[in-house]
Amino acid sequence: EVQLVESGGGLVKPGGSLRLSCAASGLAFSDYGMNWVRQAPGKGLEWVSSISSDSKYIPYVDSVKGRFTISRDNARNSLYLQMNGLRAEDSAVYYCARDGRRGPGRRFDYWGQGTLVTVSS
Amino acid sequence: QSALTQPASVSGSPGQSITISCTGSSSDIGYYNYVSWYQHRPGKAPKLMIYDVSNRPSGVSNRFSGSKSGNTASLTISGLQAEDEADYYCSSSTRSDTEVFGGGTKLTVL
Repeated sequence: EVQLVESGGGLVKPGGSLRLSCAASGLAFSDYGMNWVRQAPGKGLEWVSSISSDSKYIPYVDSVKGRFTISRDNARNSLYLQMNGLRAEDSAVYYCARDGRRGPGRRFDYWGQGTLVTVSS
Repeated sequence: QSALTQPASVSGSPGQSITISCTGSSSDIGYYNYVSWYQHRPGKAPKLMIYDVSNRPSGVSNRFSGSKSGNTASLTISGLQAEDEADYYCSSSTRSDTEVFGGGTKLTVL
């Protein structure tokens, strides 16, 4: 059974930092790209970042560039999101999702249950 | 990186068909055939329903179908069932190799 389990969310003050983790099991983690997608309260889904299977290609949504860093450890089947300089508008449920395509384009075929990040003073 | 445009809500009665539109631009939907649709129920993980405009993953009902014309993609659900009630999101890969989602459409089964 495929499982993606996020952790590391919580309450943090504006300007603070948080590191999210996503532990994967039941899938060939090292063969596929991984992603972070977020959903702010009452809002829609927003793609945040992707990381290729070999960590060589890493795009970000403009709003997090320079503040967030995605990384992965294929030996540990884990995905990470280091979030610095957090703002109120970063408050959201953060999902990790596997990109089921090897090659151009994306399709998110497996998702975790999400971890809640709240940025507030 | 503007969000794709979806209607905020659609509704239909059991057994009917509904269509949800998703409008983008020549830099995303119009550029690639990499449009996906996701079903999202509250408190649950999103579920992939359609990928590459019109392909269904294994296990997804054939009542779900997708299409695209120009910069607009569509999701059609036929034979509506109560269990179809959820939020639906489109997404597209972009020419700058990012990903963009639609604002989401709340489907109500009357």
